[in-house]
Order: sequence, then C-alpha cells, then structure tokens
Amino acid sequence: GAGVSQTPSNKVTEKGKYVELRCDPISGHTALYWYRQSLGQGPEFLIYFQGTGAADDSGLPNDRFFAVRPEGSVSTLKIQRTERGDSAVYLCASSLQQGQTQYFGPGTRLLVL
Amino acid sequence: QQQVKQSPQSLIVQKGGISIINCAYENTAFDYFPWYQQFPGKGPALLIAIRPDVSEKKEGRFTISFNKSAKQFSLHIMDSQPGDSATYFCAAKEDSNYQLIWGAGTKLIIKP
Repeated sequence: GAGVSQTPSNKVTEKGKYVELRCDPISGHTALYWYRQSLGQGPEFLIYFQGTGAADDSGLPNDRFFAVRPEGSVSTLKIQRTERGDSAVYLCASSLQQGQTQYFGPGTRLLVL
Repeated sequence: QQQVKQSPQSLIVQKGGISIINCAYENTAFDYFPWYQQFPGKGPALLIAIRPDVSEKKEGRFTISFNKSAKQFSLHIMDSQPGDSATYFCAAKEDSNYQLIWGAGTKLIIKP
C-alpha cells in the first residue's frame, strides 16, 4: 500500500476487556515498530519486529501487552484486561530495514472506560 | 543520558515570521537527528533530518542547525504559514540502532 495503515482508527472499550489493534506496514518493509503516545507527549517505544520475530520487546509495560507478526508483514498488538491507564494513541511504524527512516501510521486511539 | 530535551513546549508565531524550536541531547553516540511533524489525528511524519558531519541542512523553508560541541540542534521554519501549525518532535538515535529517543514535542501555532 501507499503507507502504513492501522485499524481501527478509534476503539472504545470497558475496563477489563481484551482489545486487538492491527498494523499493515508498507509493503516490503522488514522492520515494524509499535509506539504508544499519550496526550502532549512524544511516542514511547513498545516493541520492534525484524521479520516475524520480536527483536526487542523491552518497552512493553507489562505482561498484559503482547504483539505478533506471524508472516512478517501485518502485526497485531494485543492488550488483555485493559485498564484506564492504557488509554492512549497506539502508533505503528515501519522501515525498509532496521535503522532506516521510520514511516508512521495514523494511529489507533484507544479509550478505556 | 538517553534524554532529548525540547523547548519550548508551545510557540505562537505570526504568519511570515520565523519559528525556532530547540533540542539538546547528552549521548555523544547519537548520530542521526530527525524532526517529525504531527498534525492532529495523524501519525508523525519525517520532516527533515541531519547527521553530525554537517552544521546545517536546508529543505525549502525548513532548516536544521546543528551544534555538535554544544550537543544542540534546532529547527527553523522560515516564512511560517498557518498550514505549518502542528506539533513538532525532535528525536535522536545512533545510526545503526532502531530506537528513536524523542523530545516531548512543541505545539506550534501560526497566526494569520
């Protein structure tokens, strides 16, 4: 596709529910990144994939957060037992290879009530 | 040592004026310094980037000035336009690394 796409664009859920956020990277990009952005802040790194494997998941805040990229393209960020503090914009980015320019999607705005 | 400090937090400039946003870093291993522009409801988009082998890089109305000894870099927007109103983030990383270290952002408003 022309750019990184993310679905849904908005997600409202209740505390304790499970959510999945999807990212479609730019075709051919091997590196994929998830970030979380709170209001008035810069993006906060969550996890980085090189191909199908999570090369660095050190930014995931706790074990309620998990991400997969089974075929090396689309990635899904999964949040279990959501908490109000999880409310934020979740951004996905991709780059042709590690270390190269990261191109961001529009984000998914998650609101946990 | 991993921080990137960005100022000001917000900035209002008259149309046609010069907008200046500053960033400072501590890690001398950083060697790639991008600026991202983010409009409401959109993801950040790369605006311009510089490496420390040059002191200035210009692309259209946007210029990065880089001071390696002071560990500072700044974004200058010449002839600022209302369409430039957005949040601007500086960032830094080691060239071979993937982790961008982000500033806190500057909300820029250009008054017509």
